[in-house]
Amino acid sequence: AQSVTQPDIHITVSEGASLELRCNYSYGATPYLFWYVQSPGQGLQLLLKYFSGDTLVQGIKGFEAEFKRSQSSFNLRKPSVHWSDAAEYFCAVGEEQLTGGGNKLTFGTGTQLKVEL
Amino acid sequence: DGGITQSPKYLFRKEGQNVTLSCEQNLNHDAMYWYRQDPGQGLRLIYYSQIVNDFQKGDIAEGYSVSREKKESFPLTVTSAQKNPTAFYLCASTRDLGTGNQPQHFGDGTRLSIL
Repeated sequence: AQSVTQPDIHITVSEGASLELRCNYSYGATPYLFWYVQSPGQGLQLLLKYFSGDTLVQGIKGFEAEFKRSQSSFNLRKPSVHWSDAAEYFCAVGEEQLTGGGNKLTFGTGTQLKVEL
Repeated sequence: DGGITQSPKYLFRKEGQNVTLSCEQNLNHDAMYWYRQDPGQGLRLIYYSQIVNDFQKGDIAEGYSVSREKKESFPLTVTSAQKNPTAFYLCASTRDLGTGNQPQHFGDGTRLSIL
């Protein structure tokens, strides 16, 4: 079964500093990988996704992520963090198909980002 | 703009009571999903539906029920059999049956608490 690990529960960075959030996955085939962001009391917003091709993908809000097959990782990065980036971030891997069709996402447990001014 | 609307935003349940969470989408998506979110546990799949009048159990379906009478609507009922219902519930959708490469669109969630 597929699984996703986000080893950092909490991360604190200073505004303007660079950010890297770690994500490791376990999946037999080529994975479909996603990063989502969640503000308090809100739903999840898609930041970026990787399906195939270029292993460095760009997303919204200045985020990017790099797929490294050899390390089974899909880490999220941002060169300069803004105070508004404070939120919870979830990595997810998409399964090929659920019973009856459709797709299932397996989520990591999330990383809470705090930004110090 | 198209999206997913969940209501109410906050819901309280008494012991032994069933409550129903609403999820409506105007994205014309075929597939819809319900997740439960608990602190430190990520999101866990409760039920999903690929088409009208069809739905499947997810990983934690016990104590929950759903219906899919219309394409736009996928309500979730938390029954009295769910002994620990306090959580944040998220509804999501994808365009069609597809494969795992479709990102899911999420509503803003309903927070359910026990009185």
